[in-house]
Amino acid sequence: AQTVTQSQPEMSVQEAETVTLSCTYDTSESDYYLFWYKQPPSRQMILVIRQEAYKQQNATENRFSVNFQKAAKSFSLKISDSQLGDAAMYFCGGATNKLIFGTGTLLAVQP
Amino acid sequence: GAVVSQHPSRVICKSGTSVKIECRSLDFQATTMFWYRQFPKQSLMLMATSNEGSKATYEQGVEKDKFLINHASLTLSTLTVTSAHPEDSSFYICSARRNREYGYTFGSGTRLTVV
Repeated sequence: AQTVTQSQPEMSVQEAETVTLSCTYDTSESDYYLFWYKQPPSRQMILVIRQEAYKQQNATENRFSVNFQKAAKSFSLKISDSQLGDAAMYFCGGATNKLIFGTGTLLAVQP
Repeated sequence: GAVVSQHPSRVICKSGTSVKIECRSLDFQATTMFWYRQFPKQSLMLMATSNEGSKATYEQGVEKDKFLINHASLTLSTLTVTSAHPEDSSFYICSARRNREYGYTFGSGTRLTVV
């Protein structure tokens, strides 16, 4: 069985500042993939970043980066230089043969 | 690349009728597709895994006879909500996986309202 936990129901950040969203996971699988998806009000799921759990190197995509702590099973998302368009629901997900999600974090960006 | 089309985007049906939702991978072949259900302000709950040419695998607690899934080709999976009732009203989202490394691409979702 696999579980994904997001402990922050809501977060807020000032425009241009940095925010970190937390996520922990639990699985017995070694071949495991981790994802962050963004869901804006349109409800379209948009891939933000992904990480292979067998790689220690942290993934980075422009202003988005992860802090992957394998021993702690932690996969946090850092958003730098936050923009108004970053405001959305963010879901952390983990996958072996199927992708399951945490409960989500609603991010507000204050101008 | 990796576009998934889901249709319809919205549907209203009468209680007791059935409704079909289609999920198509437009530019890649998807041997595996997934169906999720999302209630307002909640997360996506995986309902079932759809495998091309074989029976779907349902998550615990999901009624197989209520939510019929067919994956007849490498680019199309359908979810049929049978004998719909108001409690089936929800947002349904499909996802297709090209390969595990590439990730999962999602459709735009279907808002089902049963009246």
